[in-house]
Amino acid sequence: KNQVEQSPQSLIILEGKNCTLQCNYTVSPFSNLRWYKQDTGRGPVSLTIMTFSENTKSNGRYTATLDADTKQSSLHITASQLSDSASYICVVSDRGSTLGRLYFGRGTQLTVWP
Amino acid sequence: EADIYQTPRYLVIGTGKKITLECSQTMGHDKMYWYQQDPGMELHLIHYSYGVNSTEKGDLSSESTVSRIRTEHFPLTLESARPSHTSQYLCASSTRGLDEQYFGPGTRLTVT
Repeated sequence: KNQVEQSPQSLIILEGKNCTLQCNYTVSPFSNLRWYKQDTGRGPVSLTIMTFSENTKSNGRYTATLDADTKQSSLHITASQLSDSASYICVVSDRGSTLGRLYFGRGTQLTVWP
Repeated sequence: EADIYQTPRYLVIGTGKKITLECSQTMGHDKMYWYQQDPGMELHLIHYSYGVNSTEKGDLSSESTVSRIRTEHFPLTLESARPSHTSQYLCASSTRGLDEQYFGPGTRLTVT
């Protein structure tokens, strides 16, 4: 069964600290992996997209890594800010359909305290 | 920021009412999607469209229906709302290639 599991479910950190969010998936075949940021009451916004051949991608203070062999990804946030408080969702796309089927994790709820 | 819009943003309605959730995008994307999301849960695909006059049901069974008469417009309709329809509904559109999806702000629906 194709699944995307994220950990931790929730995380609280102090402003200025770093943190790493984890994503494990069993989706096969694999096309790409995305990390989205979803603010409360808003739609998800894409942070990074990585294909099979990419093992790291950065977007400002966000750095995503991908190990396609172990089917694991991480999202590292550097020097956190209050505005980083949001849900971070890992999404994996398969290449088994013309639609490019997406499998969503439940997200990690990050809270940054001042 | 993506040019995809949803209205209304919030809706509280009584059981049995007919409602239409609007979604429009100005990016010329062929593919559009509707997702349902409950608090703390993952997004579930309920409808999608490859283009004009194309609509398909997603993974999660839904009593809603959709139409795609124009490329930019993908409304979702519930003929008779029930409390079990209470949820957040997210519309998205995507380009070809990597199929990156751009999401709208969502409609928070509450059926009393």
